Amino acid sequence: GQNIDQPTEMTATEGAIVQINCTYQTSGFNGLFWYQQHAGEAPTFLSYNVLDGLEEKGRFSSFLSRSKGYSYLLLKELQMKDSASYLCAVKDSGYALNFGKGTSLLVTP
Amino acid sequence: TAGITQAPTSQILAAGRSMTLRCTQDMRHNAMYWYRQDLGLGLRLIHYSNTAGTTGKGEVPDGYSVSRANTDDFPLTLASAVPSQTSVYFCASMEREGGEQFFGPGTRLTVL
Repeated sequence: GQNIDQPTEMTATEGAIVQINCTYQTSGFNGLFWYQQHAGEAPTFLSYNVLDGLEEKGRFSSFLSRSKGYSYLLLKELQMKDSASYLCAVKDSGYALNFGKGTSLLVTP
Repeated sequence: TAGITQAPTSQILAAGRSMTLRCTQDMRHNAMYWYRQDLGLGLRLIHYSNTAGTTGKGEVPDGYSVSRANTDDFPLTLASAVPSQTSVYFCASMEREGGEQFFGPGTRLTVL
């Protein structure tokens, strides 16, 4: 079975840094993805980790520890447009993605 | 390049009626997926296809069927819709060997 946990909601201030955590227990592991989803829109790809460590892409970074079943998404220099849901997903031994329920991030002025 | 298209954008359907949600991709991806997204439950996999001619069941397949006659198209059929199938449906595709999943714009379905 799959169990992917992330906080339901977070609030942060414009210009700040926020870390969104994700823990997982899955029957197989072929990578961890982070997606961003604005209200009423489709999810869009942010990052992919398959090896332990930090992947940096502009203002967004993602970290993975496979031994701990743990990942986080780090957003720096927050902007109002970063208000969205952030979805953690694990690719299992097949090719399907198993999604967490998402973290709704609100960025305030 | 269109990427992934879905049709219709939204639909209101009477319970008991059948409907097919269409999904087409032009990226020649081998793998395609159907998810439903419900408030508080996140994205849940309904059916998937790793390559043309094959399909598999996801987490919530009951009440839905799919076919994959060719690489580009992956329709989702509700044979007899029920109100619990009210949801937003997303189609996605991915290169078989990994990488990101690309999502279509979604179909908002209401079953009354």
